[in-house]
Amino acid sequence: TQLLEQSPQFLSIQEGENLTVYCNSSSVFSSLQWYRQEPGEGPVLLVTVVTGGEVKKLKRLTFQFGDARKDSSLHITAAQPGDTGLYLCAGDDNYGQNFVFGPGTRLSVLP
Amino acid sequence: DSGVTQTPKHLITATGQRVTLRCSPRSGDLSVYWYQQSLDQGLQFLIQYYNGEERAKGNILERFSAQQFPDLHSELNLSSLELGDSALYFCASSPGTGQNSPLHFGNGTRLTVT
Repeated sequence: TQLLEQSPQFLSIQEGENLTVYCNSSSVFSSLQWYRQEPGEGPVLLVTVVTGGEVKKLKRLTFQFGDARKDSSLHITAAQPGDTGLYLCAGDDNYGQNFVFGPGTRLSVLP
Repeated sequence: DSGVTQTPKHLITATGQRVTLRCSPRSGDLSVYWYQQSLDQGLQFLIQYYNGEERAKGNILERFSAQQFPDLHSELNLSSLELGDSALYFCASSPGTGQNSPLHFGNGTRLTVT
């Protein structure tokens, strides 16, 4: 089973700050997804990255897939309290037959 | 609203008992995935079904079983429950399989075993 590591585990910042969270593995994934989960709810898909080196932007969020398709990063610009949540990365290690989730980064953005 | 419906939302039961969790996927989605989320383990993949057939198996205990019915809804059966089975159980669905089939999660069933 392929494993995903995420760092940092916890992050507490002030509104307006920038931050980057990381998702790393020693294995190659055919694609990688980022989700955000809020308390009492299921994870919600933010983005899917497929090609090594790919960069995708979603408003203030920038996602990058590593060239070797083993790692990814999520950068948030000018964080807002609404960005608070658990950010999960998930690797597709068998073309949709098994999505492996990292443990998550719990982000708290203080007003 | 993801379109994935899970029932019940909460379940409290005693050790040794058996429970059934139900999931209705998004309209048109053929794949159903079950995940267990606990504080110390994160989201753990249990099992996947595609159009009624078991497609992939993860860390699912022998005491647990699942199936997907012809109408594509799925049930996860947990038996001989132990305290350690207390967790959030999520169902997710996707249109098919493959890297461009993202998962859409329900809001989970919180199981408490006392």
